[in-house]
Amino acid sequence: SQTIHQWPATLVQPVGSPLSLECTVEGTSNPNLYWYRQAAGRGLQLLFYSVGIGQISSEVPQNLSASRPQDRQFILSSKKLLLSDSGFYLCAWTYRGEAFFGQGTRLTVV
Amino acid sequence: RKEVEQDPGPFNVPEGATVAFNCTYSNSASQSFFWYRQDCRKEPKLLMSVYSSGNEDGRFTAQLNRASQYISLLIRDSKLSDSATYLCVVNIYGNYQLIWGAGTKLIIKP
Repeated sequence: SQTIHQWPATLVQPVGSPLSLECTVEGTSNPNLYWYRQAAGRGLQLLFYSVGIGQISSEVPQNLSASRPQDRQFILSSKKLLLSDSGFYLCAWTYRGEAFFGQGTRLTVV
Repeated sequence: RKEVEQDPGPFNVPEGATVAFNCTYSNSASQSFFWYRQDCRKEPKLLMSVYSSGNEDGRFTAQLNRASQYISLLIRDSKLSDSATYLCVVNIYGNYQLIWGAGTKLIIKP
């Protein structure tokens, strides 16, 4: 069966510090991978998606970047965090339109 | 106009009552439809897919109305544990992205 791992679950980072969130998928190959952000009480905002290694599409130009160095690995990064980067970050993969999410990372920038 | 729209609620419903949500979508090329449930501070999880013929899973019934471009979710005999945010999701044919509604918050009261 397929599983998706995302870590860490919670993170508190100072403004200006770097960020690296990692997501890995098991049990499938060449998945479509996604990074979402959810602000408190809001819907899901698509940040990046990838249909293959090295292929990244950005939906919202901002302080973040994404990379896909391996087929089942998706990384979200920032060189310098802003207060506005706080939120709930979710990694997901899709199969036939259905999305499967990691547990999410709750990031607080202080 | 948003691509997928939901009433944000909250819907305050007594335990045992029946409650229904609608979700409207704007793109007639939409092909796949889903309802997700998201508990507070957790990742979304698939509740049910929505088929053209409608589908039922226990107390939950989902319907699709292509002519009017909306999907619905009906919950019968509501339980306290049904309290959550319900997200409507649409996949457009040939598109890698899922289009998410902002969610409808449901609160079941004893």
